[in-house]
Parts: sequence; C-alpha cells; structure tokens
Amino acid sequence: GAGVSQSPSNKVTEKGKDVELRCDPISGHTALYWYRQSLGQGLEFLIYFQGNSAPDKSGLPSDRFSAERTGGSVSTLTIQRTQQEDSAVYLCASRETGDGGYTFGSGTRLTVV
Amino acid sequence: AQSVTQLDSQVPVFEEAPVELRCNYSSSVSVYLFWYVQYPNQGLQLLLKYLSGSTLVESINGFEAEFNKSQTSFHLRKPSVHISDTAEYFCAVTAIYNQGGKLIFGQGTELSVKP
Repeated sequence: GAGVSQSPSNKVTEKGKDVELRCDPISGHTALYWYRQSLGQGLEFLIYFQGNSAPDKSGLPSDRFSAERTGGSVSTLTIQRTQQEDSAVYLCASRETGDGGYTFGSGTRLTVV
Repeated sequence: AQSVTQLDSQVPVFEEAPVELRCNYSSSVSVYLFWYVQYPNQGLQLLLKYLSGSTLVESINGFEAEFNKSQTSFHLRKPSVHISDTAEYFCAVTAIYNQGGKLIFGQGTELSVKP
C-alpha cells in the first residue's frame, strides 16, 4: 500500500484481557518496527523484524508482550493479560533496508480500563 | 548504544519569529540523524534526515537542520514560523553500521506558535 496501516486505530479493553494490534507495512519494506508512545516515556522501541525474524526484541517490557510477522509483511503485536500501565499509543514503522527512511503508521491508541 | 537529548521540552514562540529546537546525541559509532514531526492526534511524519554529504539539510516547508559532528548536535531551525507549525518535534538517531537498526528518539519538543 501507499503507507503503513495500523488497526484498530483505537482499542479500549478491560484489565486482564488479551489484545492484538495489527500493522500492515509498505509493500517491499523488509524491516518493521514497533514502538510505544506514552505520556512521560516518550517513544520506546519494542521490537524489530527483518523479514519474518526478530533480531532485536530487547524493548519488549515483559513476557506478556509478543509479536510475530508472517510472509515478510503483516505483523501482529499481542499483549496478554493487559494492565493499566499498558495504555499508550502503539506505533509501527517500516523501512526499506539501506534507505535510512522509516515510515510510521498512525498508531493504535490502547486504553486499558 | 546511542542516546538523544532534546534540550527543551516546550518552546513557545510568536508567529513569524525564528525558532531553534535543539538536539544533541551521544554515540560511539557513526549515525544517521532524523527529525520527525507529530501534529495533534496524528502519527509521526519525517521532516528531514541526514545520511551523508552536505551537513545542512532542508525540508520542503522551510525547516533546516545542520549536522555538527564535533558538537554532536543536529539542531532544527526555521527563520519564520507559522501557526500551522504547532506540533511536537522528535529528534532521532540510528547507528549506520547496523543497517536494520532501531531509531532512538529524544523526549520531544512541543513547539507552540502563537498569533
């Protein structure tokens, strides 16, 4: 597609429930990144995919967080047993390796009540 | 590892005044540098980037940034701001050696342009 697409744009969930956030990167972009943006924390790196593998998952805050990427395209970030501190905007970005330019999606605003 | 410091969390200015948003970085290896802008309730948009070559880079809407290796800075400037420039601005770096590298962001600077 023309840009990075994320869904849903907004998600309200009850504490303890699992959520899945989806990212559809720009076609042909081999690198995909997840970030979290929350008040007082700025933009935090979560995980990076090159193709379907994740060479760097150092930013995942706990084992409740996981992500996968299939077909070198769509990625899903899963948060299990959500907590209120998980409330944030989750941003996805894709990049054509070597280009230097990252394109961000509009994000998913997650609210845990 | 890399880190980014944006020295001002908020910058209020009047319309048509000049502005400078400061960014300093720390890295033991060479880096690419970026400025991203986030308008209210929108995602991040690339404003400009420095990869190599001329140390002065410009955006299409009048912003410019200069890479200063000796001072490890990449300050963003605009000679005359508009109300529509009101947004949050993020400076970011990534290590050149790691082609798949993640972006490391500063905490952001909120630019508020008043009439």
